[in-house]
Amino acid sequence: EAQVTQNPRYLITVTGKKLTVTCSQNMNHEYMSWYRQDPGLGLRQIYYSMNVEVTDKGDVPEGYKVSRKEKRNFPLILESPSPNQTSLYFCASSSGLAQFFGPGTRLTVL
Amino acid sequence: DQQVKQNSPSLSVQEGRISILNCDYTNSMFDYFLWYKKYPAEGPTFLISISSIKDKNEDGRFTVFLNKSAKHLSLHIVPSQPGDSAVYFCAATPNSGNTPLVFGKGTRLSVIA
Repeated sequence: EAQVTQNPRYLITVTGKKLTVTCSQNMNHEYMSWYRQDPGLGLRQIYYSMNVEVTDKGDVPEGYKVSRKEKRNFPLILESPSPNQTSLYFCASSSGLAQFFGPGTRLTVL
Repeated sequence: DQQVKQNSPSLSVQEGRISILNCDYTNSMFDYFLWYKKYPAEGPTFLISISSIKDKNEDGRFTVFLNKSAKHLSLHIVPSQPGDSAVYFCAATPNSGNTPLVFGKGTRLSVIA
């Protein structure tokens, strides 16, 4: 089944404790992206990647890092999480116009 | 500055009637527009798209209309069903492939039985 998977689905952590949210797609898509969804703000792009070893900042990249060492994986790294990064995070991939989204990761930073 | 605007945070419609969700954009470079549907605890799912060379695209109960001169698009759902209750996001992009999408804030549609 073609899909985008994210892990973990839920995470509660404390300020400053480094964490990684993994994203993997099995559709051989070149493009991958991370978004965060916050109440009243919709979906905002954090980082995106056009291909392996190519990443670019989106609209809200501060406090996040990404890497794209292989085509299928695009992890999101929070080196020192803060409470304002409490949010619902979505990974997406595409090979054309429409992006396919993962199920989301709900992150709470205390 | 918000480039894609969905000015109605919510909409309630009776089952069987038409649902009309609206979206406005400001960036004249946008040439492709998409609608996504999102249920709670799930990721957004692609619904329908339209390019700027068309003014209408239809897929079953879903039709998207584009008025490029007004920088306005709308999603029509006919007839509305309770399973259509979800948050709908409008998105736009300048190119047809592998480029960032700019999303609106979403409209929550409630279809009442």
